[in-house]
Amino acid sequence: GAGVSQSPSNKVTEKGKDVELRCDPISGHTALYWYRQSLGQGLEFLIYFQGNSAPDKSGLPSDRFSAERTGGSVSTLTIQRTQQEDSAVYLCASSLWFELSYNEQFFGPGTRLTVL
Amino acid sequence: DAKTTQPPSMDCAEGRAANLPCNHSTISGNEYVYWYRQIHSQGPQYIIHGLKNNETNEMASLIITEDRKSSTLILPHATLRDTAVYYCIVRVHGDSNYQLIWGAGTKLIIKP
Repeated sequence: GAGVSQSPSNKVTEKGKDVELRCDPISGHTALYWYRQSLGQGLEFLIYFQGNSAPDKSGLPSDRFSAERTGGSVSTLTIQRTQQEDSAVYLCASSLWFELSYNEQFFGPGTRLTVL
Repeated sequence: DAKTTQPPSMDCAEGRAANLPCNHSTISGNEYVYWYRQIHSQGPQYIIHGLKNNETNEMASLIITEDRKSSTLILPHATLRDTAVYYCIVRVHGDSNYQLIWGAGTKLIIKP
C-alpha cells in the first residue's frame, strides 16, 4: 500500500519568507510525527500528533514554527519568516497508535528546505 | 541529548556478519531499544526493537545484555545494500510523550 508521502520534495526560499510543508500519513495511522535533520546529523524531534491533537509543542525550535493536522490525516508544518538556520531535511513519520509500547514509525522521504 | 552512544563509523565485508554496538547505560526498566537505519537520501527505516529478550526478525537480530546497558544489532549476511547510517534509540517516556531521541548513529559501509 501507499507509504508516507511529503510535499514538496525540495523547497528553496528566501530568508524571511513563509513556507508550508505537507505530510500525508499512511491511511489509518493515528499518530504523526515531524522531525528535522541537518546535514550529517541525527533526527531532531519537533512535534507529534495523536489524532488532531498535539499534546506537547516544546520540541518546536521557535514560535516561528507551527503545525496542524486536520481530519486525523494530512498535517502541515509551517515556518514563518524563515532563517538560514532553518535549512534542513524535514521528515514526517506516522504510526498506528501512539500509546502502543511498540511504536514502529514509518517515514516519508522528507522535504529538503534551503533558505537562501 | 541522546541517551545512546554508538561508534561513528564501521566497515564490514560483504557476506560477513555486521555487528553494531550501542551503549545505553542510563536506560530505565520500561524503556525499549529501537534500531532504525537510513540509506542515503531516504527516510529512516525501522529494523527491530526489544525490551529485555533477544529478538530476531527477517532483517536482523538484536542482542541485549542482561543488565540492559548495551545492545548489539547483528546483520547476519551483510550486502552492499546494507550500507547506511544505523541509529540505536531508546524510547523516552515523559508524561504522555513517547519520544524517540536520535543520536548521530553509526555509518556502516559494506565493502565488496
